[in-house]
Amino acid sequence: EVQLVESGGGLVQPGGSLRLSCAASGFAFGPYPMAWVRQAPGKGLEWVSTISGDSNYIYYADSLKGRFTISRDNAKNSLYLQMDSLRAEDTAVYYCARGGTALGLDVWGQGTTVTVSS
Amino acid sequence: DIQMTQSPSSLSASVGDRVTITCRASQGIRDALGWYQHKPGKAPKRLIYTASSLQSGVPSRFSGSGSGTEFTLTISSLQPEDFATYYCLQHNSHPFTFGPGTKVDIK
Repeated sequence: EVQLVESGGGLVQPGGSLRLSCAASGFAFGPYPMAWVRQAPGKGLEWVSTISGDSNYIYYADSLKGRFTISRDNAKNSLYLQMDSLRAEDTAVYYCARGGTALGLDVWGQGTTVTVSS
Repeated sequence: DIQMTQSPSSLSASVGDRVTITCRASQGIRDALGWYQHKPGKAPKRLIYTASSLQSGVPSRFSGSGSGTEFTLTISSLQPEDFATYYCLQHNSHPFTFGPGTKVDIK
């Protein structure tokens, strides 16, 4: 079964950092681009970042302004999102998803919740 | 960046109704569009890919059409489990953009 499982969410103070992880199983992780998508409370879905299978191509939402870094470890079948200088508006459920421009985002994890608050 | 608009923002419908949701792109995106169903506390579920292809395992009452800038998701006969929020996503180019969503609730 194709599965994505996020972890690493929690409560963090404004200005703090957090690293999210996404463990992939049930498919050959290396060739697939991967993405992060978030949903703030009461809001819609917002694409955050995409990384190609070989990590050579990386894209971010303009709103992040260099505070987030996406990475992956194909040997560990894992995707990461390093989030620095966190703000209250980064409070959201963060989903990892498989896919990119070719076929869109087909498989999603259940999400991990990030709360930025003092 | 490509902007996605979606209409209506919400609708009330009864079981058995035919429901149509429209998504418009600010510029042409070929057929690089997916439709997603999202329920609270659950992962978004893709229903349609490349504008009109039914995702494996998704009931045939869901269908998609369109190309370029205008796209439609149709539910031919609404079922109780279909009450949810629906989003379109353009993946033609980065940054990817979602429509603002359509909440479908019970009339």
